[in-house]
Formats: sequence, C-alpha cells, structure tokens
Amino acid sequence: QVTLKESGPVLVKPTETLTLTCTVSGFSLSNARMGVSWIRQPPGKALEWLAHIFSDDEKSYATSLKSRLTLSKDTSRSQVVLTMTNMDPVDTATYYCARTSYDSFGYYPHFDSWGQGTLVTVSS
Amino acid sequence: DIQMTQSPSTLSASVGDRVTITCRASQTISSYLNWYQQKPGRAPKLLIYAASSLQSGVPSRFSGSGSGTDFTLTISSLQPEDFATYYCQQSYSIPGFTFGPGTKVDIK
Repeated sequence: QVTLKESGPVLVKPTETLTLTCTVSGFSLSNARMGVSWIRQPPGKALEWLAHIFSDDEKSYATSLKSRLTLSKDTSRSQVVLTMTNMDPVDTATYYCARTSYDSFGYYPHFDSWGQGTLVTVSS
Repeated sequence: DIQMTQSPSTLSASVGDRVTITCRASQTISSYLNWYQQKPGRAPKLLIYAASSLQSGVPSRFSGSGSGTDFTLTISSLQPEDFATYYCQQSYSIPGFTFGPGTKVDIK
C-alpha cells in the first residue's frame, strides 16, 4: 500500500524558513518510474504545483518560486524535504506531497497518490 | 510556462445529468493532461491521466478526451458522490505540472 505523509510546523512567522518532510512507504524513491512533487492550496483557492524531484535526483521548481525553494531526498529514510525561505502570510496553505507515476512506457506523468496534506499558517 | 484554463468555473447539475468540463492549454501539450477530483477537506484524487486513460478504481462514468490544447472531462451520469471540484493538470513541460483553476460541480 502506497502512503505519503507530510510533516512540519503548523505555524511559522513571516521571514522564517519553512521545512516540510514527506515520508513515503510502499514504494522506493530510487524507483526509476517514480518521483515526488509538492503542491499547495491556499484556503478556498486552487492547487499550485511547487516542485518535483525525480528518481535520479534531478529537481524542478515552479518559476515564480524557484528562488525560495529547495528540494532534497533521503532514499534510505524514504523522505523528501522541501524548504521554502522568506515565508509570507500569502504562503498560508495546505501543503501536499504526491507520488508521480508514469504509464507503462514511461510517459505521461501523473500524481496517483497523495498525502493528507498539512496546513501551514504564516503569522506573527 | 504553460497556462491552463477551465470552463465553467462553477457548474450546477442534478443527479443523473451528463456533465462536461473543458480545459484548455496555452500551448500544445499533446496528451499530457490529467484530471483530479477534490472534495472539501480532502486531498485530490486522480481520475484520468494521459487525457483519456482511466485510473484504476475510478468508475467508468468518468471519461476524458482531447489532445493538443483542448480537453474535456465527462461524467456520463452524475452521482451524489461526484459533487466536488475538478482540476485539470498538464504534465508536458518542466517546470510545469500546472493545474487549472478548477471547476466546482454543485447541486442544482
């Protein structure tokens, strides 16, 4: 059974750095046809993709947030860590991690399993 | 970056209705289009990937079509559990994996 679980602070102050951890089970982060993305959703608003890490450790970041985001992974601990610097109240959102899978030919990435999400509030 | 739009933003329908949601990409994305369903307080759930492939376990009343820039999600006969918000997402380009703004399906 595939599961993902986000963990981290529920409250951060403006200008602080947010560190979120996604712990996965049921699959390996070194699997060539798997990856992990982070997505956020401000209250009452749409989903926003933030960043993705591939099995070969290649990373990709949303253009608008690239300067503030860093992804890393620890395959042995089955964890992917997202850091976001200089937090602002507009960053208040539920943050999700999701597994990226591909079709049987290795194409068409899609998020087939999601964590439950963690609500992060940015306030002084 | 590729931008995604959806229409309508809100759709009022009744149980048993046939429902169609449209998604458009700002440039061609071939068939790299996914659809998700999200209910309040829950994580999104994958319905369709590669524009028309039904995710395992998803009821067959859901179907997807399209390629290039224009895509549709169709629910053939709306069920009570289908009232939710639906998002399209492109997975053609990196950086990307852009989501559309969502379509809320509510009860008429």
